[in-house]
Amino acid sequence: GAGVSQSPSNKVTEKGKDVELRCDPISGHTALYWYRQSLGQGLEFLIYFQGNSAPDKSGLPSDRFSAERTGGSVSTLTIQRTQQEDSAVYLCASSPQGEGGYTFGSGTRLTVV
Amino acid sequence: QKEVEQNSGPLSVPEGAIASLNCTYSDRGSQSFFWYRQYSGKSPELIMSIYSNGDKEDGRFTAQLNKASQYVSLLIRDSQPSDSATYLCAVKGSGGSYIPTFGRGTSLIVHP
Repeated sequence: GAGVSQSPSNKVTEKGKDVELRCDPISGHTALYWYRQSLGQGLEFLIYFQGNSAPDKSGLPSDRFSAERTGGSVSTLTIQRTQQEDSAVYLCASSPQGEGGYTFGSGTRLTVV
Repeated sequence: QKEVEQNSGPLSVPEGAIASLNCTYSDRGSQSFFWYRQYSGKSPELIMSIYSNGDKEDGRFTAQLNKASQYVSLLIRDSQPSDSATYLCAVKGSGGSYIPTFGRGTSLIVHP
C-alpha cells in the first residue's frame, strides 16, 4: 500500500482481556518496528522485524506482549491479560531494510478500562 | 546506555523567525540521525535525515551535524504557525544496530 496501515485505530478493552493490533507495512519494506507512546511520553521501542531474521524482542515490557510477522509482511502485536498501564498509542513503522528513517502508521489508541 | 537528549521546551518563536532545535547524543559511534515532526494526536513524520558532518538543507529546514561535539540540530527558517509541533530527534548507533534511540522531543510553538 501507499503507507503503513494500522488497525483498529481505537480499541477499548476490559482489564484482563487479550487484544490484537495489526500492522500492514509499506510494500517492499523489509524492516518493521513496533513502538508505544504513552500520553506526554516519548517513543518506547517494543520489537523489530527484519526480513526472515529472528526478531529483536528486547523492548517488550513483559511476557504478556508478543508479536509475529507473517510472510515478511503483516505483523500482529498481541497483548494478553491487559492491564491499565498498557493504555497507550501503539505505533508501527516500516523502512527499507532498516536503513534510513521510518514511515509510521497512524497508530492504534488502546484504552484498558 | 545510549541516550538522546532534547530540551522539552516549549520553545516559543514568533512567526517568520528562525527556530533552532537541538539534540545531543551519547554514543560516539552513531552514524545516522533523523528529525521527526509530530503534531498533537498524530504519528511522527520523518522530515530530515543526515549522515555526515555539516549542514543539509531541504526547503525551510536545515539539519546540522557535529559528530565531534555529538550534537545534531534542526533549524526552521521563516517559521509558520503550522510548524507548531513536537520535534523528535532519533539516532542510530554503531555496531550495525537498526534500532534508533529517540529523544523525548521538543515542543515548538510558533505564534502569529
